[in-house]
Amino acid sequence: EDQVTQSPEALRLQEGESSSLNCSYTVSGLRGLFWYRQDPGKGPEFLFTLYSAGEEKEKERLKATLTKKESFLHITAPKPEDSATYLCAVRSGANSKLTFGKGITLSVRP
Amino acid sequence: KAGVTQTPRYLIKTRGQQVTLSCSPISGHRSVSWYQQTPGQGLQFLFEYFSETQRNKGNFPGRFSGRQFSNSRSEMNVSTLELGDSALYLCASRQDSTYEQYFGPGTRLTVT
Repeated sequence: EDQVTQSPEALRLQEGESSSLNCSYTVSGLRGLFWYRQDPGKGPEFLFTLYSAGEEKEKERLKATLTKKESFLHITAPKPEDSATYLCAVRSGANSKLTFGKGITLSVRP
Repeated sequence: KAGVTQTPRYLIKTRGQQVTLSCSPISGHRSVSWYQQTPGQGLQFLFEYFSETQRNKGNFPGRFSGRQFSNSRSEMNVSTLELGDSALYLCASRQDSTYEQYFGPGTRLTVT
């Protein structure tokens, strides 16, 4: 059974203080690792998909990387508007079911 | 393009009742998946429909069911509601060629 563990559960940063969010996974045959952002009271918003170890993707202050066992979401010089819960999910096998981690709640103080 | 829409946004039901939630996917998306989100368990997969056929099902009791119509709109039904069914129910759609799922705002179900 696919498993996804995200750490830490919560992270508080000062504006401009860069950091990384971790997503560890156990799957039999990774077919994609997905990062989402979720704001309170809203559905998850798609950020990135990574497919193979060594792959990197960037969007504004966010950069996602992938190894064979984990993925990192690096946040460079965060702003208060980056405060949200960041979810990691994996897909394995032929179907499109996503297995999610519990999420990391990021709070950025001005 | 309009995003995924879900109705209603909020529902309050009593134990033992049943409920139907609706989801309209992004135009052109034929795959619709449903997830349950709770503080304790996080996001958990319920089922996926593609071209009116259920393709995959998660580990939920038979009280949870769904269907998809020819226009790709989907509904999920929960019968004999229990307190533990209180959750945010999320619908997601995707294009045929990718596995990136786009979520709606969810339906917040409260069972009293």
